[in-house]
Amino acid sequence: NAGVTQTPKFQVLKTGQSMTLQCAQDMNHNSMYWYRQDPGMGLRLIYYSASEGTTDKGEVPNGYNVSRLNKREFSLRLESAAPSQTSVYFCASSSSMRYGYTFGSGTRLTVV
Amino acid sequence: DQQVKQNSPSLSVQEGRISILNCDYTNSMFDYFLWYKKYPAEGPTFLISISSIKDKNEDGRFTVFLNKSAKHLSLHIVPSQPGDSAVYFCAASASTGANNLFFGTGTRLTVIP
Repeated sequence: NAGVTQTPKFQVLKTGQSMTLQCAQDMNHNSMYWYRQDPGMGLRLIYYSASEGTTDKGEVPNGYNVSRLNKREFSLRLESAAPSQTSVYFCASSSSMRYGYTFGSGTRLTVV
Repeated sequence: DQQVKQNSPSLSVQEGRISILNCDYTNSMFDYFLWYKKYPAEGPTFLISISSIKDKNEDGRFTVFLNKSAKHLSLHIVPSQPGDSAVYFCAASASTGANNLFFGTGTRLTVIP
């Protein structure tokens, strides 16, 4: 019963490097989301995908791109990492707001 | 601008007593509210929710109260247990629109044995 799986769990990047955060869910959920969590800021939505084949910007999309590869997978890409992108990133999926989102365990990213 | 606010960064409560966590929101279009619990190094986990057509929802030791006129909700935990020590996030969504969740900044609850 995996739920939402994120990889990697930890990553250190140098400024200007690129990387992709992977997310996969096995609950057959239509909607998937990427959030970042920063101290004192709560969780802020970066991008979301309401269904396979669609993606939309959230509150803080600058510096990120996403791909909804299929119904299971939703990846987040940093093309040129900046220190301001140091954060904990959470992927989530949902089928109905009644049951909320199911979150992955997070990726802790440090950009130096 | 923060649409969901949790003004108390932390709360300490004795084991067995009631914990009350508060949350305020500004967007009158919000019609569904949720509480999440988060332990260190884990993702948030869904705890309890309430629709705007209700003013109370109860699940075991957890009760959420909604006051729409005040744009305020609260989570009551009775009795509090040491395992309840975690960060609690309030979240809200509007069914008109993208239906995304907006989160508060969280309240760290410490239950003292």
